[in-house]
Amino acid sequence: GENVEQHPSTLSVQEGDSAVIKCTYSDSASNYFPWYKQELGKRPQLIIDIRSNVGEKKDQRIAVTLNKTAKHFSLHITETQPEDSAVYFCAASGPGGNTPLVFGKGTRLSVIA
Amino acid sequence: EADIYQTPRYLVIGTGKKITLECSQTMGHDKMYWYQQDPGMELHLIHYSYGVNSTEKGDLSSESTVSRIRTEHFPLTLESARPSHTSQYLCASSVPGTPREFFGPGTRLTVL
Repeated sequence: GENVEQHPSTLSVQEGDSAVIKCTYSDSASNYFPWYKQELGKRPQLIIDIRSNVGEKKDQRIAVTLNKTAKHFSLHITETQPEDSAVYFCAASGPGGNTPLVFGKGTRLSVIA
Repeated sequence: EADIYQTPRYLVIGTGKKITLECSQTMGHDKMYWYQQDPGMELHLIHYSYGVNSTEKGDLSSESTVSRIRTEHFPLTLESARPSHTSQYLCASSVPGTPREFFGPGTRLTVL
């Protein structure tokens, strides 16, 4: 089955700097890769996702890149702000949308003002 | 408003009690999931369902059961609660034909 590795487990950046979180997956048939943000005491919220037919997707200060050959994808946050502090989870899902997401173990991002 | 609802939001019970955590969604989703998560930590899939009368086990299913009699309702039952069950339980559902999951607010369970 699918296995998703996420790095780093914790990340501290200065406000205004960029943050990058990386994930690798094992099943080459996986074709959907979402990222979730979970603030303290809140539910995970989908912030961006990408499908395997696209190499990069941007939404304001966040972007996701996908390298299918290397089986890794990354979340990029530019101009970080204190409200970006949260736990971020990557995930992967197989073809057809009929398998549950497999999540990475999470990255705790702290943005220092 | 279309959303995922979980009740109760907080529950404190004694060891050995039987409990049912409720999850309902008004989003018209066919697939539903239960996860266990210690705050800010890894998400563990407990059970999932792809429709009425369909249930599958995840990684941590051995101590709980689920049912899916109605599309919008997916309750989780712990037959005999133990202190090791103390955690947050998150319900999720996904849009038909996609794996895009949306989470409910969670139930925080404490077993004494």
